[in-house]
Parts: sequence; C-alpha cells; structure tokens
Amino acid sequence: GAGVSQTPSNKVTEKGKYVELRCDPISGHTALYWYRQSLGQGPEFLIYFQGTGAADDSGLPNDRFFAVRPEGSVSTLKIQRTERGDSAVYLCASSHPLRGSTWEGRVEKLFFGSGTQLSVL
Amino acid sequence: RKEVEQDPGPFNVPEGATVAFNCTYSNSASQSFFWYRQDCRKEPKLLMSVYSSGNEDGRFTAQLNRASQYISLLIRDSKLSDSATYLCVVRDGGSYIPTFGRGTSLIVHP
Repeated sequence: GAGVSQTPSNKVTEKGKYVELRCDPISGHTALYWYRQSLGQGPEFLIYFQGTGAADDSGLPNDRFFAVRPEGSVSTLKIQRTERGDSAVYLCASSHPLRGSTWEGRVEKLFFGSGTQLSVL
Repeated sequence: RKEVEQDPGPFNVPEGATVAFNCTYSNSASQSFFWYRQDCRKEPKLLMSVYSSGNEDGRFTAQLNRASQYISLLIRDSKLSDSATYLCVVRDGGSYIPTFGRGTSLIVHP
C-alpha cells in the first residue's frame, strides 16, 4: 500500500486480556517506531526498530509490553495482562533509515499510520 | 522537566489573524526540529522542518533560537482549515528518537 497501515483500527478488550496490534510500514522503510497517545497529550515514544532488531525499547512502560518485527517489515506490538491505564491510541510510524547525521539525503520525516484505538474495560 | 514543552492552548483566533506558537526544549544537544500537524482523531503529519536560518512555506514561518532553546511557528492570514493541533518535535543528536511535545490547539473561527 501507499501508506502505513495499522490494524485493527479499534480494539476493545477486558482488563487482564492479551492484545496484539499490527503495523505494516511503507515498503522500503527500514526504520519503524511505535508511539502511544493519550487524550490531550502528544505521542509518547515506546520502541524503535532498525530492520529486524529493536534498536531502542527504552519507552516501553513495563514488561507487559513487547514488540517484534521478525522479517524487518510488519511489526506487532503485544500487550499482556492489559490494564485500564493502557487505553490510548497506539501509533506506528515508519521512515527512511538515518545514516550518520543525514536521513540518506531525504527529508527527515515520520510517516504515521492512522493508529489503533485501544480501550481496556 | 519535560524535554519538549508547549502551551496546550487552545488559541482561538478569527480568520485572517496572525498567530504564533512557541516550543521550548531542554537538551542543548538537540539536532533536528519539526512542526507536525494533527487533525482531530487523525495521525500527525509533518508540516515543516525547522532550520537554523529559519524557513518559510507560504503562510507558515518557522524559526529556531538555539541560544534560548526554543522554536516557533508563525501562521499568517489564518484559515478555518488551519484549525488543528500543532506538535513540536525535537530529535537529539546521536538519537534516532523524535520526541513530541503535547501539542498546541488552534481554533480559527469565522
């Protein structure tokens, strides 16, 4: 597809359940980010992938959160034992890889998907 | 102290007005600066990058003040369609992670 695709667009679950959120980045974008956004706040960084590996997972709030990107394309964010406080919009973004101090000569830009609204009841 | 701070607003302005937003950042080693626009219930989209020399794109002007560690966005001749949340974004040198402010809400009314 032309843009970043996220599924599902909405997910309602019960407290304590397990959920998986999927992100399909723009083809050729090796950099992939997960953010989450609560109402009235800006996107909060969760994890960054460069290729298949998680280059920076310092934003994951605790060990209930985990993300994978096994083939360097699609990524899945996994949340175990969901809590009401996990309710938010989970945003995925992809970009061209950063090499040194330049964005491979392209405009440094994140392309966001439309997000998954997660509601934990 | 938050890394990127913005006044959440809302800024309520009439059509045709000029409005300016500021954003402060805490890390003097920050390297890249941006303004993103986010419409209600939509994803953020890049509005413009902010260069050291300042830059302009039509009615939008962005400025960077490294000494005082802030960036600004000026919108001239506001349109109803400019109503949105404007997110300030900063990336530190040596980091691959853009950090977002909480956003400033702009409402342009007839």
